[in-house]
Amino acid sequence: DAGVIQSPRHEVTEMGQEVTLRCKPISGHDYLFWYRQTMMRGLELLIYFNNNVPIDDSGMPEDRFSAKMPNASFSTLKIQPSEPRDSAVYFCASSFQRDIQYFGAGTRLSVL
Amino acid sequence: QKEVEQDPGPLSVPEGAIVSLNCTYSNSAFQYFMWYRQYSRKGPELLMYTYSSGNKEDGRFTAQVDKSSKYISLFIRDSQPSDSATYLCAMSNNQGGKLIFGQGTELSVKP
Repeated sequence: DAGVIQSPRHEVTEMGQEVTLRCKPISGHDYLFWYRQTMMRGLELLIYFNNNVPIDDSGMPEDRFSAKMPNASFSTLKIQPSEPRDSAVYFCASSFQRDIQYFGAGTRLSVL
Repeated sequence: QKEVEQDPGPLSVPEGAIVSLNCTYSNSAFQYFMWYRQYSRKGPELLMYTYSSGNKEDGRFTAQVDKSSKYISLFIRDSQPSDSATYLCAMSNNQGGKLIFGQGTELSVKP
């Protein structure tokens, strides 16, 4: 299996622009998680889905962030408008056994 | 107080040494305990997981959970330079899918 696939690997954008991060979970996994990692705060869960339905979005920092999972093999995390404080590494993870999660390689986002 | 505490290090050891990495936690409801390894600029890689208390061994790695002390450990025997990475503990109460991560311990194994 190819594992969790994220794109792009790196994203550099200017403040105010829309950013879309993409994730393809491991086939057969029915849970999908979006995390953000920073030096100051470590790994933080933003939102997770079960069978394509959002279950807990309490970690989404504000309304500028949104996430969708239109089907079992694809999810997006969108930031609109982006701000410099959104600069971080964003990880997607998937699981068939909710607490045993497998991570993608991440998207390194820089907002200038 | 954070739910999960982990010494960030850095920890530097010579090749061949036994490494002990530890986390403490405050939530007695935690049931799943995981260790992830993260190389620089890579995603966290699941190393081991344990349900409830006890020990689990996988090659050079041993995970221990002491729920009475709210303390978990990861031991690495015969450490290698390729073990140099950040090690993150994570745990959950199997309700809600939320993993709580430690800050990670940066390990360097010197040849």
